[in-house]
Amino acid sequence: HVQLQESGPGLLKPSQTLSLTCLVSGDSVNMKNGPYSWGWIRQSAASGLEWIGHLYIRGSPEYNPALRSRVTISLDTSRRQFFLNLASVTVADTATYFCARYTDYDQEAFDVWGPGTDVIVSS
Amino acid sequence: DIVMTQSPLSLPVTPGEPASISCKSSESLLSSNGFHYLAWYLQRPGQSPQLLIYLGFSRASGVPDRFSGSGSGSDFTLKISAVEAEDIGIYYCMQTRHTPFTLGQGTRLDI
Repeated sequence: HVQLQESGPGLLKPSQTLSLTCLVSGDSVNMKNGPYSWGWIRQSAASGLEWIGHLYIRGSPEYNPALRSRVTISLDTSRRQFFLNLASVTVADTATYFCARYTDYDQEAFDVWGPGTDVIVSS
Repeated sequence: DIVMTQSPLSLPVTPGEPASISCKSSESLLSSNGFHYLAWYLQRPGQSPQLLIYLGFSRASGVPDRFSGSGSGSDFTLKISAVEAEDIGIYYCMQTRHTPFTLGQGTRLDI
């Protein structure tokens, strides 16, 4: 039973870089194998739920074009973690950020989600 | 980007009665493998979204059989055969046929 847990700073100032970590836990977790990608989705009152991007271990990352110039998703499979970096944040990046597992092939959906972490950008 | 439009945005329901939510996409979600890349999620108050339905009609693990998904092309429906109190929350459809993945505005189910 896979579980995800986000962590990171809850408050940033404009122009700073947001760095979030998602810890993957569970008895049978193997981030290197299986039809899984690891991604991030955010939710704000203004924009609703917004896909940020995801990364498959053996492929290139997929990013939302609206954020592509500022976002990086990376993995550390040995530590069972994946990461989100969002550069040059503004007030518009204030949101709850969720990490999630995307299952390819027979689901093509985000089937496991973390509880979410709130991020506020304010001067 | 594919635009996802849900209706209604708010749905008052009575326990035991059926409920239905529509989701329309601006493009077909049919893939070359014959499946529609359309998922339904429920976000209960204070929680993260939970996968209910994937590929348009398949129930996720542990999802009660009162939930069903149907549709094709760009027109999809989520049905609850008999609403229970625990079904309260906001329902979202999400397309993963093309990036950027996009979601509907959400339908709030209230008792």
